[in-house]
Amino acid sequence: EVQLVESGGGLVQPGGSLRLSCAASGFTFSSYSMNWVRQAPGKGLEWVSYISSSSSTIYYADSVKGRFTISRDNAKNSLYLQMNSLRAEDTAVYYCAREQSIAASLLDYWGQGTLVTVSS
Amino acid sequence: SYVLTQPPSVSVAPGQTARITCGGNNIGSKSVHWYQQKPGQAPVLVVYDDSDRPSGIPERFSGSNSGNTATLTISRVEAGDEADYYCQVWDSSSDSVVFGGGTKLTVL
Repeated sequence: EVQLVESGGGLVQPGGSLRLSCAASGFTFSSYSMNWVRQAPGKGLEWVSYISSSSSTIYYADSVKGRFTISRDNAKNSLYLQMNSLRAEDTAVYYCAREQSIAASLLDYWGQGTLVTVSS
Repeated sequence: SYVLTQPPSVSVAPGQTARITCGGNNIGSKSVHWYQQKPGQAPVLVVYDDSDRPSGIPERFSGSNSGNTATLTISRVEAGDEADYYCQVWDSSSDSVVFGGGTKLTVL
């Protein structure tokens, strides 16, 4: 069974940093591209970042470019999101999602999410 | 950047057919995916690549895509279908994943 479990969320002050993790199991993690998607309270889904299976290709949404860094450790079956210079508008539930290669940006499995709150 | 437009809400009586649209410039040339999200839960893929269904998704869920509009159709709507639905594409011009704003489906 495919499982994605996010962790690392919490309350952080504006300007602060946080590192999110996503532990993957039930599939060959190293064969899949991964994404982070977030959802602000009461709002819609917003894509954050993409990383290919070998980490050779990385993309970011304009809203986080230069502040967030996506990475992965295939030996540990883990995906990460380093978030720096956090702003109030970064407050959201952050989901990691597996990308299936059969169609462009097909996100076939999602974790349950971890809440990040940026507030003083 | 590429924009996907969805109606904020759609209402339908049980047993009827719900159609949720997703508008975008020449969206017919893109592969569209649809997700269902119930309150407090993660999104679930219900239709991918315009009209294919993942295993475990009822045949009542179907999709189409042509011109400037993609459509998710839910036949014989049930109370359990009440949720937010999001369309999504890959925008190669900006190397980004794009979501529609979401549509709240209410079962009357």
